[in-house]
Amino acid sequence: GESVGLHLPTLSVQEGDNSIINCAYSNSASDYFIWYKQESGKGPQFIIDIRSNMDKRQGQRVTVLLNKTVKHLSLQIAATQPGDSAVYFCAENISLDTGRRALTFGSGTRLQVQP
Amino acid sequence: DAGVIQSPRHEVTEMGQEVTLRCKPISGHDYLFWYRQTMMRGLELLIYFNNNVPIDDSGMPEDRFSAKMPNASFSTLKIQPSEPRDSAVYFCASSREGEGLTDTQYFGPGTRLTVL
Repeated sequence: GESVGLHLPTLSVQEGDNSIINCAYSNSASDYFIWYKQESGKGPQFIIDIRSNMDKRQGQRVTVLLNKTVKHLSLQIAATQPGDSAVYFCAENISLDTGRRALTFGSGTRLQVQP
Repeated sequence: DAGVIQSPRHEVTEMGQEVTLRCKPISGHDYLFWYRQTMMRGLELLIYFNNNVPIDDSGMPEDRFSAKMPNASFSTLKIQPSEPRDSAVYFCASSREGEGLTDTQYFGPGTRLTVL
């Protein structure tokens, strides 16, 4: 599969541990945020999203936390499994005054799960 | 649903040749996006369409790049002439404008382009 970035920050965790992946976003006007997972050789896959009027949202084994004060987003993965190994991207959605929308992706974090 | 379909999955061509990448979005989706992913620049939005109309092409790097969406189920991204620096993985994504802001994009598997 393709390499998405030789210089990506890497988080290495033991199988069964919890993982926390962090993301700082840039635009205070962003009103919707998404976490994507990209496995080698595949396109980004939607994991979970959150609107700006929420602080926390939970899915199956994943939780997203949003701190608008410091423009910080985090993805928590409970009981990390080898299949969670991938590159994780946060994306922020901005509704422009023209009515258009723009989704901007972060640079990504590589998660490596050690058996 | 088969998801977003892209073809070819891999393309190797020589500098100066024309390259055409194809995408079939998820049926019923209103938006279609073309992205490029490289090691150095990450994931970049090139252009997106809404109801087959190009809305924002500010990410298209040069006039050598063009994109069309003749109907709701098909889009092409063309590079003419291709250059080695165009080598990247090109993703197509689609989304449906739901209530409020829930416009999650669903990505295709990508086309890996290598220009020699």
